[in-house]
Amino acid sequence: GAGVSQSPRYKVAKRGQDVALRCDPISGHVSLFWYQQALGQGPEFLTYFQNEAQLDKSGLPSDRFFAERPEGSVSTLKIQRTQQEDSAVYLCASSLRPTTSPNYGYTFGSGTRLTVV
Amino acid sequence: AQKITQTQPGMFVQEKEAVTLDCTYDTSDPSYGLFWYKQPSSGEMIFLIYQGSYDQQNATEGRYSLNFQKARKSANLVISASQLGDSAMYFCAMREGEPFNAGNNRKLIWGLGTSLAVNP
Repeated sequence: GAGVSQSPRYKVAKRGQDVALRCDPISGHVSLFWYQQALGQGPEFLTYFQNEAQLDKSGLPSDRFFAERPEGSVSTLKIQRTQQEDSAVYLCASSLRPTTSPNYGYTFGSGTRLTVV
Repeated sequence: AQKITQTQPGMFVQEKEAVTLDCTYDTSDPSYGLFWYKQPSSGEMIFLIYQGSYDQQNATEGRYSLNFQKARKSANLVISASQLGDSAMYFCAMREGEPFNAGNNRKLIWGLGTSLAVNP
């Protein structure tokens, strides 16, 4: 597609519910990132994929968070047993090459706004 | 300690005037890149401009320019001739270990952002 697509756009979950957030990166983009942006804050890194390989998951806040990109394209961020502190906008970003050119900006999706009640 | 500091939570500017958004950074890595992104109310992050630590000249992209003062570790964004559509959140971000780092993790470290309102 022309841009990075994220779905759903909004998600309201009851505390304890499992949720799955989807990211469709730009076709052919190798790198894919997930960020968490709490209200009034800057984004915080969650995890990074290069193709299907999850090379860094150091930002995942707990073992309730799990991300996958099984075929190197679409990625899913799953949050189990959601808590109120999980309420945030979850941003996905992709880029064409991981290291070739320093002067590139990632293309971000519009995010999924998760509200846990 | 914050690696990216944006000290202006909110800024106002008159349409057609220039505005400077401040950003200071902290890193011990001699190789790094600095980015500015715009986030309108719709939520997507829009890439504006990039400055590499070894770049000799300040970056410019249309109405955006970056006032890069390496010794002071500041990378202020200057928007000239402000337009109503410039009203948004602006984030400064840093990526460490480039351009020579071939490492796989290219994550961005972000500031808290500055909310810019352009008045007609």
